[in-house]
Amino acid sequence: QSVLTQPPSVSGAPGQRVTISCTGTSSNIGAGYDVHWYQHLPGTAPKLLIYGSTNRPSGVPDRFAGSKSGTSASLAITGLQAEDEADYYCQSYDRSLSGSYVFGTGTKVTVL
Amino acid sequence: QMQLVESGGGLVQPGGSLRLSCAASAFNFPNSGMHWVRQAPGKGLEWVAFIRYDGTNTYYADSVKGRFSIFRDNSKSRLYLQMNLLRAEDTAVYYCAKSGSGVQPADNWFDPWGQGTLVTVSS
Repeated sequence: QSVLTQPPSVSGAPGQRVTISCTGTSSNIGAGYDVHWYQHLPGTAPKLLIYGSTNRPSGVPDRFAGSKSGTSASLAITGLQAEDEADYYCQSYDRSLSGSYVFGTGTKVTVL
Repeated sequence: QMQLVESGGGLVQPGGSLRLSCAASAFNFPNSGMHWVRQAPGKGLEWVAFIRYDGTNTYYADSVKGRFSIFRDNSKSRLYLQMNLLRAEDTAVYYCAKSGSGVQPADNWFDPWGQGTLVTVSS
C-alpha cells in the first residue's frame, strides 16, 4: 500500500528528457520530509540516485536531477541512454503510519 | 567499496520461521543504522524494519510488527531479521541496506543495498 504515487511507466528516445513525478500528501512530502530516488534493475541491488531531494551521490551522472515542491517531487533524466532503462522509486517518510519510511509505486522507464 | 551480502532465504511453510543474515564490509558498521526492505513478486519496494547503530531502538512496519525482529552483532558486522509466524504475503526478496544520515532520522535514505535473498512462504 504505497502512499507515494508515481506513473507506472514513462518512455523516451535516446537523448531525450523524461520526468518522473512522485505525489504525496501533507503527511509525508508535504510535511517537509526529504525525498530520495532509487534505480532498480530486476535481480540487482537498488541504487541510490538522489538523496535529500536534490543531491547526487558521487558517481551518479549529472543527467539525473531531483526537485521537490509542496506535496510532490520529481526526477528528471536528461540525455536519456539505453542503460537508463530500469525501474525508479521515490522514497520519503510518513508520520501518519506509526512513523514509517515509504516508497513510491515505482515507474518503469523504457528507452525507445 | 561498501558491501552488503544477504543470506538465509528459502522455502518455508506458513506459520514457520526463518532468520535472515546480512554481512557488511568496507564501512563502519558499528556506527551505522541499518534497514531491511522487501519486494514481493511483481510489486514495489516496502520498508520492513530499522535498527539504530547501537541496537538500542528498533522500528517496524505495521505489516510485520509483532512477528519480525531486527537485531545486530556489531562485533561480527552482521545484521539479522528473525521472521516468525510467516504468511504467504511475506513472500519477497529481502534486502538489507545501510541508513544514510539525514538532518533528522525521518530523512534517512538507503545506501548501499545488498543483492537480496528470496523468501518463499508456501505449503
